[in-house]
Parts: sequence; C-alpha cells; structure tokens
Amino acid sequence: AQSVTQPDIHITVSEGASLELRCNYSYGATPYLFWYVQSPGQGLQLLLKYFSGDTLVQGIKGFEAEFKRSQSSFNLRKPSVHWSDAAEYFCAVGGPTSGTYKYIFGTGTRLKVLA
Amino acid sequence: DGGITQSPKYLFRKEGQNVTLSCEQNLNHDAMYWYRQDPGQGLRLIYYSQIVNDFQKGDIAEGYSVSREKKESFPLTVTSAQKNPTAFYLCASSHRLAGGSEQYFGPGTRLTVT
Repeated sequence: AQSVTQPDIHITVSEGASLELRCNYSYGATPYLFWYVQSPGQGLQLLLKYFSGDTLVQGIKGFEAEFKRSQSSFNLRKPSVHWSDAAEYFCAVGGPTSGTYKYIFGTGTRLKVLA
Repeated sequence: DGGITQSPKYLFRKEGQNVTLSCEQNLNHDAMYWYRQDPGQGLRLIYYSQIVNDFQKGDIAEGYSVSREKKESFPLTVTSAQKNPTAFYLCASSHRLAGGSEQYFGPGTRLTVT
C-alpha cells in the first residue's frame, strides 16, 4: 500500500544551523512528491514539488529537497534555519491509486528553532 | 487575490447538531478536497470532488456529507452521526485530480463540539 513516513515527530535546531527533515515513501511507481509547511492554526503552504528531471529541487524560503529513488526518500533541507521557520512540515506523495488519484500525507515533523 | 477561503475560522456546536463548513475558491480549479487534521495524525481525506456535481468518499467519510453544485464551492456538513467531530478541518483545491497538480489549502476551520 502507498504510504509516507516522516520518522521524526519533533526536531529542535538552533537558529543558523542546518536542517534536514526526513521523508520516506512507499509507492509502486515514481510518485509526485511535495513538501508543505503549516504555521500553527493555519493552512498548508507548498514549499516545493518534484515531478521528474533534476532530483534536487529548489523551493521557496531557501528550502531544497533531494529525491533519491534507491532510498525511496525525499528529504527536505535548509542550510541555515531562521526563527521564522518554526512550524510543522508535511511530506506528501501524489499519484494514481486504484483507479483514482490520491494525495497521501505524512504525519508531520514539528520544527522548533532555538534563538 | 486568488485563493481559498474557509469560514468561520472557529465554530462551536452542541452535540447532536449538524454543522456546515464553508469552502470557496477563486482559482478556477476543478478538484476540491476536505481533510481532517488531528494532532499526530497528519491529514486524513474526508471527501473529494473532481468536477461539479460529482464527489467521492475519502478515507474517513462516515458522518460527513458534501455537495458540489458550483465549481467554486465545496461545503462540508458534519452530521450528528460523526462520533468525534472536534478537529481542525482543511479545504484544498487543485487544478485537476491528476498529473501531480499541487494542492492549495485554505486557512482551516477549527470545530469544537461539546
């Protein structure tokens, strides 16, 4: 069955430190991959997406993600975290499933940034 | 500005009452979705619609109903049959239900039922 796993429920980093949020997926073919960010009490905002081509994709707010087919991973990275990056981050996959099309979301990683 | 609006932001109801959450988009998207978000569980799909006058059950449709009479509107009714309705509800839309169209989300409605 298709699934998305975000193994880290909480991550704490210091401002200015680098960040990597992990995402692993299970899917029969190459899915479409997304990272979203959610501030408390708000909707989700798309950070970046991967459909095909270059496996390193750039997004908004200085984020990037790398698709690794061999590891079924799509990890999100940022070289230097800002206090405003504190939020919850969701990895998602999209693709045809059982005659329809579905988006599957991970359970999220909550990022805390220390000043 | 194009986007998705959800109203109200906070909603309080007594147990046993039906309640309707509003979702409107002006992005000219064909597909619309309703998700429920609970702490630690990510987003769970309630209903989705690919086109006007058509909608499909998602993973947790029991106790919910929807309509899609207009392209821009996709209201969700939480009925008294929903056993645990208190949650954060998110509406989303995408250009179409295929091809990796990304979803755009509204700001959400927090429903509290007592």
